[in-house]
Amino acid sequence: EVQLVESGGGSVQPGGSLRLSCVASGFTFNIFWMHWVRQAPGKGLVWVSRINSDGSSTIYADSVKGRFTISRDNAKNTLYLQMNSLRAEDTAVYYCARVVVSTSNWGQGTLVTVSS
Amino acid sequence: QSALAQPASVSGSPGQSITISCTGTSSDVGTYKYVSWYQQHPGKAPKLMIYEVSNRPSGVSNRFSGSKSGNTASLTISGLQAEDEADYYCSSYTSSSTVDLFGTGTKVTVL
Repeated sequence: EVQLVESGGGSVQPGGSLRLSCVASGFTFNIFWMHWVRQAPGKGLVWVSRINSDGSSTIYADSVKGRFTISRDNAKNTLYLQMNSLRAEDTAVYYCARVVVSTSNWGQGTLVTVSS
Repeated sequence: QSALAQPASVSGSPGQSITISCTGTSSDVGTYKYVSWYQQHPGKAPKLMIYEVSNRPSGVSNRFSGSKSGNTASLTISGLQAEDEADYYCSSYTSSSTVDLFGTGTKVTVL
């Protein structure tokens, strides 16, 4: 069974940093692209970032470019999102996801709250 | 990076059919077959319902169907059931060298 388990969310002040983790199991992690998606309270879904299978290619939404860094450790089956210079508008539930054409697997999400 | 446009809400009675539109541009929906639809119940992670415009993943009811015309994709739910009440999001690949786009989301209400 495919499982994605996020952790690392919490409350942080504006300008602070957090690192989210997503531990994957039930599939061969090192051959799949992985994604981060966020959803602000009561709002819609937004693709945040994606990374290719070996970590050599990454892409970001304009809203987080230069502040967030996606990475992965294939030996640990773990996806990361380093979030720096956090803003109030980054407050959201962050999901990690594997999307492979006809299949989509998502974690349960981890809540990040940016507030003074 | 503008979100794809969806109606905020659509409603129907049990057994009826409803259609949700998703309007993009020639840089996304209009050019690529990589249009997907997700269903999200409150407090839950999204679930893939349609991929590549009109294909259903294994296990998704055939009451769900997708199509595309020009820059607009559509999701049709036939034989509406109470369990279909949820938020629905379209998603599309974009040529803008950035992450994919989601739609603004549509809340489906079963009357």
